[in-house]
Amino acid sequence: GESVGLHLPTLSVQEGDNSIINCAYSNSASDYFIWYKQESGKGPQFIIDIRSNMDKRQGQRVTVLLNKTVKHLSLQIAATQPGDSAVYFCAENTLWSSNYKLTFGKGTLLTVNP
Amino acid sequence: ETGVTQTPRHLVMGMTNKKSLKCEQHLGHNAMYWYKQSAKKPLELMFVYSLEERVENNSVPSRFSPECPNSSHLFLHLHTLQPEDSALYLCASSQDLIIGAPGTEAFFGQGTRLTVV
Repeated sequence: GESVGLHLPTLSVQEGDNSIINCAYSNSASDYFIWYKQESGKGPQFIIDIRSNMDKRQGQRVTVLLNKTVKHLSLQIAATQPGDSAVYFCAENTLWSSNYKLTFGKGTLLTVNP
Repeated sequence: ETGVTQTPRHLVMGMTNKKSLKCEQHLGHNAMYWYKQSAKKPLELMFVYSLEERVENNSVPSRFSPECPNSSHLFLHLHTLQPEDSALYLCASSQDLIIGAPGTEAFFGQGTRLTVV
């Protein structure tokens, strides 16, 4: 079965607030994680990634935190804007055959209220 | 615009039809993928191509037939589909098969919304 999942299927926040989207994974051997954003009618778009030798990585208004002890990943969005409304997926890099593939979680729908 | 283009954006087909989905990437990537996205399900990997060779068929029924004539183009040929095959079909590409470092992530197209009637 899938080894990546999301704690909350939906999240609703007020514009300007910070958002936190959570993700759990079960494969302790995974060494690379990616967050994707998918807006309605579009394909997933890369947001930020993190390797397992890090516990935090920051981008523009986004921060990814990795807790390998509890196999937990989170995406923090600062000062959430209406344009941030989308489905957010975490993906984990798992070894299959001699290569890697991305295993995706179910997704969290983020709704930003003006 | 991610550099990965899929056509058509929408497709309605009958169960006895034959159709093809097309994907083109302008990124110079060596690996290309087909994913299926259904309601209430995670993204499911279907096929993986590296340097025009298929390296993975993720237990996909034979009514889906991929083709990769060159490293920039990927097709998904469809025939005798079932209504449960209705979904968003996403194409993606990456520099190489090894996705594990910044700059090696997969880029997705906008998908083809397929409805089987």
